Amino acid sequence: AQKITQTQPGMFVQEKEAVTLDCTYDTSDPSYGLFWYKQPSSGEMIFLIYQGSYDQQNATEGRYSLNFQKARKSANLVISASQLGDSAMYFCAMREGVGAGGSYIPTFGRGTSLIVHP
Amino acid sequence: SAVISQKPSRDICQRGTSLTIQCQVDSQVTMMFWYRQQPGQSLTLIATANQGSEATYESGFVIDKFPISRPNLTFSTLTVSNMSPEDSSIYLCSVALPAGPIGEQYFGPGTRLTVT
Repeated sequence: AQKITQTQPGMFVQEKEAVTLDCTYDTSDPSYGLFWYKQPSSGEMIFLIYQGSYDQQNATEGRYSLNFQKARKSANLVISASQLGDSAMYFCAMREGVGAGGSYIPTFGRGTSLIVHP
Repeated sequence: SAVISQKPSRDICQRGTSLTIQCQVDSQVTMMFWYRQQPGQSLTLIATANQGSEATYESGFVIDKFPISRPNLTFSTLTVSNMSPEDSSIYLCSVALPAGPIGEQYFGPGTRLTVT
């Protein structure tokens, strides 16, 4: 079964509007971390935001916020006031504990392509 | 946070040859990860490299094809051996700070490899 599911292969948004990119995850481990990355056409993976499973508050970083709904196992990324430079691939990822001596292997979703229109 | 550099940033290689990619981190880290991203695809973990021990490879990846070195806590190399066009990908190294599931994960800028 997929551990990270991103159901939106592509999203379009008008400049200055907000957009939500969906991510659901599957784990039975109580200890895990969730990440969002932006990958522009240059190929580098730019870290955007992080949410730990024990964090009480939703993570926020500037225009990025993570809508963390633990019971639903969702970790949606919200980008407010979209800019043309936000056009890129966005990946959701999770790292979970796998028990004593585990390697905490990170896994990635398939990604969502976001295009911001002027 | 961590600042990670990779060399080379890109290369075009002939089939049958090998390429070694270097990854340097600005702080000491226990675990480093090597990923492959084929065109239009998500990231696939190749292996986890811990200092002082053999790398742990994921299913579908073998040491003979992707030998990894981890001589110290700030450096690692990945070699892509006996390359074929199917190896054309972006290769990324990554570190977790702090180690464990609860901690941020950072990536190098990637090495864009084209095999002709």
